[in-house]
Amino acid sequence: NAGVTQTPKFRVLKTGQSMTLLCAQDMNHEYMYWYRQDPGMGLRLIHYSVGEGTTAKGEVPDGYNVSRLKKQNFLLGLESAAPSQTSVYFCASSTRPAPSAQYFGPGTRLTVL
Amino acid sequence: GQQVMQIPQYQHVQEGEDFTTYCNSSTTLSNIQWYKQRPGGHPVFLIQLVKSGEVKKQKRLTFQFGEAKKNSSLHITATQTTDVGTYFCAGPVDNNNDMRFGAGTRLTVKP
Repeated sequence: NAGVTQTPKFRVLKTGQSMTLLCAQDMNHEYMYWYRQDPGMGLRLIHYSVGEGTTAKGEVPDGYNVSRLKKQNFLLGLESAAPSQTSVYFCASSTRPAPSAQYFGPGTRLTVL
Repeated sequence: GQQVMQIPQYQHVQEGEDFTTYCNSSTTLSNIQWYKQRPGGHPVFLIQLVKSGEVKKQKRLTFQFGEAKKNSSLHITATQTTDVGTYFCAGPVDNNNDMRFGAGTRLTVKP
């Protein structure tokens, strides 16, 4: 099993550009999460999903949108990137019932110029 | 709102010394999780504590959940260079799906 995979691994955007980060998991997990990690601030939850077709806001949702059309995939979109969105983005998944261990992907390093 | 505070931010020890990181919440937590992130890596789940006063051990690592369920600690006995990394605690906010992470304690070990 690959576990949780993320694409791309690195990306550089210009201010105002858009992009989508893809997260895929092959563990048949119900729950999926998107976090951002900035130096000295730990991990902050952006959005999460408790099942296919559902999404919910986390701690820092502004500027991001998500979709969970398939159980195994969770997409994070940036419609108009800003330098403040420069960060490392981690996707995670977990099984039910919550709370349970979250399994993280390798991360995407995004730089917005 | 809910805050999960973690101290210290950094800890540098000599190999063989002990290490402890502390996690404190402003409100009662239903559970707390601990993760380890190696440099350049991703967070890896270590353990989850649920019961008041719970103590769990994993080899040289000892995890405690306070009686009031507002604090937790991770203690490493006789650190090794393989313990290097950042240790995070995480606790739920409004529901068990919204976990708030502490800022982490970065551990470095001098051989």
